[in-house]
Amino acid sequence: EPEVTQTPSHQVTQMGQEVILRCVPISNHLYFYWYRQILGQKVEFLVSFYNNEISEKSEIFDDQFSVERPDGSNFTLKIRSTKLEDSAMYFCASTPSRVAIEETQYFGPGTRLLVL
Amino acid sequence: AQTVTQSQPEMSVQEAETVTLSCTYDTSESDYYLFWYKQPPSRQMILVIRQEAYKQQNATENRFSVNFQKAAKSFSLKISDSQLGDAAMYFCAYRTMEYGNKLVFGAGTILRVKS
Repeated sequence: EPEVTQTPSHQVTQMGQEVILRCVPISNHLYFYWYRQILGQKVEFLVSFYNNEISEKSEIFDDQFSVERPDGSNFTLKIRSTKLEDSAMYFCASTPSRVAIEETQYFGPGTRLLVL
Repeated sequence: AQTVTQSQPEMSVQEAETVTLSCTYDTSESDYYLFWYKQPPSRQMILVIRQEAYKQQNATENRFSVNFQKAAKSFSLKISDSQLGDAAMYFCAYRTMEYGNKLVFGAGTILRVKS
């Protein structure tokens, strides 16, 4: 069964450094998302991406964040200058074609980011 | 804005018994989707069950079923014949019908299964 993949599974970085989190959505999916989960807290929406542009973003998704689909398969989240509070689990998700009646978001396994 | 509330931070169930996890939500929409996701210790998010608000029939998936009360804006998850592998964090989530919209999650309920 196709699945969303994410790399790396864990990343440790120094405060102020740039990080890029990578995701490969399921191949025929059209809508892509990033969510984050700070340890012990709820899963929060960051951004959605459709047709090569941001569709919606939350207030968390400030100028330090950016997303890109550099080729036909990867979907990346960049944090320009990491802060301690960016430490979290970051989940990528994707949704199939809008032709589907039941649009489930399929999640990747997550990237655990630790900012020191 | 839509909100999702899970009032039970933690629940316990004996193996082979039945447990119900509660979820309420607030929305002004008439049509929407509701989901239960399971997050085991690996922290992967796994879809358990999905309910469309326009369907009156409660969704079921093997040992998992929901009690969807639209008027009360309640969406509880029943797990029958609980197994050790059911131990996880369970999140209730809401999504509007508009294509591509984000999921809004509740705070989660930790389910412990005792052998």
